[in-house]
Amino acid sequence: GDSVTQTEGLVTLTKGLPVMLNCTYQTTYSPFLFWYVQHLNEAPKLLLKSSTDNKRTEHQGFYATLHKSSSSFHLQKSSVQLSDSALYFCALSDTSNTNKVVFGTGTRLQVLP
Amino acid sequence: EAAVTQSPRSKVAVTGGKVTLSCHQTNNHDYMYWYRQDTGHGLRLIHYSYVADSTEKGDIPDGYKASRPSQENFSLILELASLSQTAVYFCASASGQGYAETLYFGSGTRLTVL
Repeated sequence: GDSVTQTEGLVTLTKGLPVMLNCTYQTTYSPFLFWYVQHLNEAPKLLLKSSTDNKRTEHQGFYATLHKSSSSFHLQKSSVQLSDSALYFCALSDTSNTNKVVFGTGTRLQVLP
Repeated sequence: EAAVTQSPRSKVAVTGGKVTLSCHQTNNHDYMYWYRQDTGHGLRLIHYSYVADSTEKGDIPDGYKASRPSQENFSLILELASLSQTAVYFCASASGQGYAETLYFGSGTRLTVL
């Protein structure tokens, strides 16, 4: 079945620095990749999504590019802010008609002053 | 904006008791999902549904049942609650065309089993 791997459990950075959160996936079908963000005591919300190979997708200063050749969809930002502190999930859906959405284990981003 | 409402917001249950978590969506979405969130495990899919009166098993269905009596409502049922089912539960809905589009989550239910 489908799976998503996020290798970092916690990333701690000083504000103003760049960040990259890793996401790789496995599926035998055509993939749809998502990044969700969950702030403390809130529900997860969509940050950005893509199904187009090698096309950069951007939202709220974050960006990611789906690379089907390496099965990756890393999330990046050039300059993190204190308000970016949150839990970030990578998620995968596909065209297999199972309609499942599978999440990675999440990466907590902690931004320090 | 899409609206998904969960009830209750929090619940304390006793081991062996029955628990029902409810979810209602006004988005006219076909797909609904139940996830549980635990530290270190992220969001894990319990059950989901893409049409009324039909449910599908997710990745961790053991100990849970689901019911979708209408397009708008999706319930998660714990017939015999256990300590290991203490978690935060999220309901979500999505539209789609053979694949799941953006998930819209409810605010979650914090379940504590004693």
